[in-house]
Order: sequence, then C-alpha cells, then structure tokens
Amino acid sequence: AQRVTQPEKLLSVFKGAPVELKCNYSYSGSPELFWYVQYSRQRLQLLLRHISRESIKGFTADLNKGETSFHLKKPFAQEEDSAMYYCALSTSGTYKYIFGTGTRLKVLA
Amino acid sequence: EPEVTQTPSHQVTQMGQEVILRCVPISNHLYFYWYRQILGQKVEFLVSFYNNEISEKSEIFDDQFSVERPDGSNFTLKIRSTKLEDSAMYFCARGSARYEQYFGPGTRLTVT
Repeated sequence: AQRVTQPEKLLSVFKGAPVELKCNYSYSGSPELFWYVQYSRQRLQLLLRHISRESIKGFTADLNKGETSFHLKKPFAQEEDSAMYYCALSTSGTYKYIFGTGTRLKVLA
Repeated sequence: EPEVTQTPSHQVTQMGQEVILRCVPISNHLYFYWYRQILGQKVEFLVSFYNNEISEKSEIFDDQFSVERPDGSNFTLKIRSTKLEDSAMYFCARGSARYEQYFGPGTRLTVT
C-alpha cells in the first residue's frame, strides 16, 4: 500500500543550525512528492514540489528514488520556520494526496 | 498562492444532525478535494471532484457523505447524520492542474 512516513513527531533545533525533516514513501511507480507547511492556526501551504526543483524560503528537497526519500532541508534555521511540516505523495492514476503524520519543527532562539 | 476560503470556521452539532461545510469559489479551478484531520492524526483524503463528478473517493467517504456544487460555484461537503467520530478539521482544496492543490483554512467540526 502507498504510504508516507515522517518518523519524527517533533524536531527542535537552535536558530542558525541546519534542519532536515525526514520523509520516506512507499510506492513502486513514479511518485509526485510535495512538502506542505502549516503555521500556527493557518492553512496548509504548499512549500515545495519535487517536479519544480525550486527552493522556497531557503528550503530544498531532493527526491531519492533509491532510498524512496524526499527529505526537506535548510542550512540555517530561522525562528519563523517553526511550524508543522507535512510530506505528501501523489501517485499515477489518482488525484488524492497521501499525507505523512507531520513533523513539528521548533526553532529555538 | 490562490486563496481558498471555507465556511464556517467552526461548527458544533449534535450527533445525528446534518451538516454542510462550504468552500468559497475561485475561478479557473477545476479540481476540488475534501480532506479531514482528526485531532492528533494525519490529514486523510475523502473525495475528489472534477467536472461536476466525483472522480475518486476513499473508504471513509461512505453513504453518509456527499459533495456537490449546487450553484456551480460553492463546493459543499454534506454529512447526513453526524457521528461522534466525525469530529475533525475538514479541509477543502482546489487545483487548476492535477498536481497542484491549494488548501483552505479548514472547518473545525465538533459533534457532541
């Protein structure tokens, strides 16, 4: 079955430290992968999609098909990065997203 | 990012009552989705809607649920007879292309 795993429920880092939020997926075909961010009491916002290979707010994510991973990285965390981060998978022949359970990032001053 | 709005922001209802959750229209969007998130759990897909038809639905989306665009604009999710376990955040999402989904702020449904 298709699945997205985000192993960390909470990740705390100090301001200026590197951040890596892990995402692994289970799918035998060609995936479409996304990262969404949810700031306190706000909507889910699209942060990154792997097909565009863009960098938003300093975050990047690379699809590694060998390791079935799509980890989100940022070299220097900022306090305003504190939020919930969700990894999502879309598969061929379907419209739905499959979400991971999310990781709460806390950036400490 | 295209704005998606939902009404109401919070709905409290008694078990067995019908509720209708609304997604406010944005032009040029063809794909519509409903997701829900039970407190402390992950976001789960309910249903997708394209060209005024359900294109896909999950196991959660049983006969208690229905979706429509009654006036060609608002996109609604109806729960016919609510249960306690329907308490959750319900997110509407819209997209203009298959892989772009933009989420609304959600409606918190509390069933008592």
